[in-house]
Amino acid sequence: AQSVTQLGSHVSVSEGALVLLRCNYSSSVPPYLFWYVQYPNQGLQLLLKYTTGATLVKGINGFEAEFKKSETSFHLTKPSAHMSDAAEYFCAVSPRGVKFYFGSGTKLNVKP
Amino acid sequence: GAVVSQHPSWVICKSGTSVKIECRSLDFQATTMFWYRQFPKQSLMLMATSNEGSKATYEQGVEKDKFLINHASLTLSTLTVTSAHPEDSSFYICSARVKLLSSYNEQFFGPGTRLTVL
Repeated sequence: AQSVTQLGSHVSVSEGALVLLRCNYSSSVPPYLFWYVQYPNQGLQLLLKYTTGATLVKGINGFEAEFKKSETSFHLTKPSAHMSDAAEYFCAVSPRGVKFYFGSGTKLNVKP
Repeated sequence: GAVVSQHPSWVICKSGTSVKIECRSLDFQATTMFWYRQFPKQSLMLMATSNEGSKATYEQGVEKDKFLINHASLTLSTLTVTSAHPEDSSFYICSARVKLLSSYNEQFFGPGTRLTVL
């Protein structure tokens, strides 16, 4: 069975501070892992993905995530938050890249 | 990157009417399209998977007679919400899967359709 857990439905950081959004997953097969961002009333935009190869994945807008198999985690980080990063972030797991299973989402608030 | 469009972007309808939402892959052929539903402040829940030319596969708990899916071509899938009721109000998002040469088949998401049933 596949599932995704995002710890913290709301995360608040100051502008310029480190962003850390947590994602843990369970998967019966080696998973493909994704982070998406969603702005209000919009669809999903892919931030980054892990399929195979290097476990540290760099994405758009300065975000990166590290796949840690032993911890079944795929946490999203950004060294310095920007006001434009305020949005909702979804972690997703896709066994073999077919169906997607999404976490419950984390709303990121960036304080000036 | 590949682009997926949805039409309309938002729709308001009266209770009891039917609403059709289109999902198009604009610059690629999609072997498979997926339909998701997102309730306010919640995550996306997969409703069904549709393959071109065959019947859609619905997830457990999704009424196939209520949510009719037609995948008529490799670039178009439609979701029809029949006899809509206020509880069907939601944000509906489609995604399209493109078959690449690698083992990983990338999936691209549409911008979503906001349905409000009065």
